[in-house]
Amino acid sequence: DAMVIQNPRYQVTQFGKPVTLSCSQTLNHNVMYWYQQKSSQAPKLLFHYYDKDFNNEADTPDNFQSRRPNTSFCFLDIRSPGLGDAAMYLCATSRDPGTDTQYFGPGTRLTVL
Amino acid sequence: SQELEQSPQSLIVQEGKNLTINCTSSKTLYGLYWYKQKYGEGLIFLMMLQKGGEEKSHEKITAKLDEKKQQSSLHITASQPSHAGIYLCGAVFTGGGNKLTFGTGTQLKVEL
Repeated sequence: DAMVIQNPRYQVTQFGKPVTLSCSQTLNHNVMYWYQQKSSQAPKLLFHYYDKDFNNEADTPDNFQSRRPNTSFCFLDIRSPGLGDAAMYLCATSRDPGTDTQYFGPGTRLTVL
Repeated sequence: SQELEQSPQSLIVQEGKNLTINCTSSKTLYGLYWYKQKYGEGLIFLMMLQKGGEEKSHEKITAKLDEKKQQSSLHITASQPSHAGIYLCGAVFTGGGNKLTFGTGTQLKVEL
């Protein structure tokens, strides 16, 4: 089945230690998104790639970076995680931006010690 | 204030009962999406509505978008324990670019 895969499902890191979260997709979609979802809150868009074009949200901290080496993979890098970055990180894909439906992966739960 | 307000915030129903969740927008909706999320997991796409007055159904779940395209409702008929979870509405707003904005969710519990 075509799907969005996130690894790892659970990630524990230390305060200030860089961490990378991974997302891959077999849908061959053009757009890949990263969302941050804190407890009992709505998912918040951090950034997205439309093919190779990176689109950052204005309020996304510089601490968050992303890479998309090819169509299938997208990475979220947190350069110096703080306690406030503990959250669920959700990857989503869509065929095109706009109103095309976004399909989500299972998420990575990040804990910062 | 929130651009998308969901009500109720939480809901407990007995198995077999019907229920409705509402999503109200402060802006005109270009597209409205319903997702379900189980605790600690990703979002599962349920339905997408775009036309005023549109109604879609999947199994026992029906979603409607009002004519003015500023409110949507999600109705579950004869609820089952498998319906339990958090229901999120998401919207792309007219003139708001391509960004999908989410409501804060409705937590549904179904008691046996």
